[in-house]
Amino acid sequence: DQQVKQNSPSLSVQEGRISILNCDYTNSMFDYFLWYKKYPAEGPTFLISISSIKDKNEDGRFTVFLNKSAKHLSLHIVPSQPGDSAVYFCAELLMDSNYQLIWGAGTKLIIKP
Amino acid sequence: DVKVTQSSRYLVKRTGEKVFLECVQDMDHENMFWYRQDPGLGLRLIYFSYDVKMKEKGDIPEGYSVSREKKERFSLILESASTNQTSMYLCASSLYGGRRGEQYFGPGTRLTVT
Repeated sequence: DQQVKQNSPSLSVQEGRISILNCDYTNSMFDYFLWYKKYPAEGPTFLISISSIKDKNEDGRFTVFLNKSAKHLSLHIVPSQPGDSAVYFCAELLMDSNYQLIWGAGTKLIIKP
Repeated sequence: DVKVTQSSRYLVKRTGEKVFLECVQDMDHENMFWYRQDPGLGLRLIYFSYDVKMKEKGDIPEGYSVSREKKERFSLILESASTNQTSMYLCASSLYGGRRGEQYFGPGTRLTVT
C-alpha cells in the first residue's frame, strides 16, 4: 500500500527565515514527487517537482531535496515571506496508474511577521 | 494558461437531495479527477476519468457517481446527499503522459449538506 505522509500538521516560521516541510513515502519505485500549495477557498497550485533520478531541484526560493535511502523528501523555502502562508501538499506520481497522484495530508505553514 | 472551472463555489443542500457538481477544463486534457478535501485528511480521490465515457473509482467512491460525456466536462453526482458528504470538492485535469503528472485544479466547491 503506497503511502505519502506529512507528519507535521502545521509549522510556524519567522518571516525571512527558512521553512522546511517534510514528507515521507513508502513506495520504493516512483517517478516523480510534486509539491502543491493551497490557499483557503482556492484549488491547489503546482509549486515544484523532483524526479527519482535527482536528489535536488531548485526554483527560485524553493528547493526540494530527495533522500531515497531514507524515503524522505523536504521542501525548503528561503527566505520565507508572508505570502508563503498556505497549506503545502506533497504528492507521489503513479505513472503506471493513469498518472494518479497519491497525496499527503498537508502541512499548514504560517509565516509570522 | 490552463483553466479549470467549477460550477459553484458554495452550495448548500438538504439531506437526500441529488447534487450535481460540474467541472470544465479548456486545455484538451485527457485526464480529469474529482477529489474531496477534509482537514487532516489531505486530498482523497473519489473518481477519475482518462477518456470520454471512461471512469475509474478512486479511494472513496461510495455515495458518488460521475459522468464524462465530453472531453472537457466531468460531472460529480451525489445521488442522495448525506451530512458526511459536507466537504470541499476539487476538480483537476492533467495531460495523459505529461512528464510530471502535473494536475491543474479548479477553485473548489464548498458543499454543505444540512
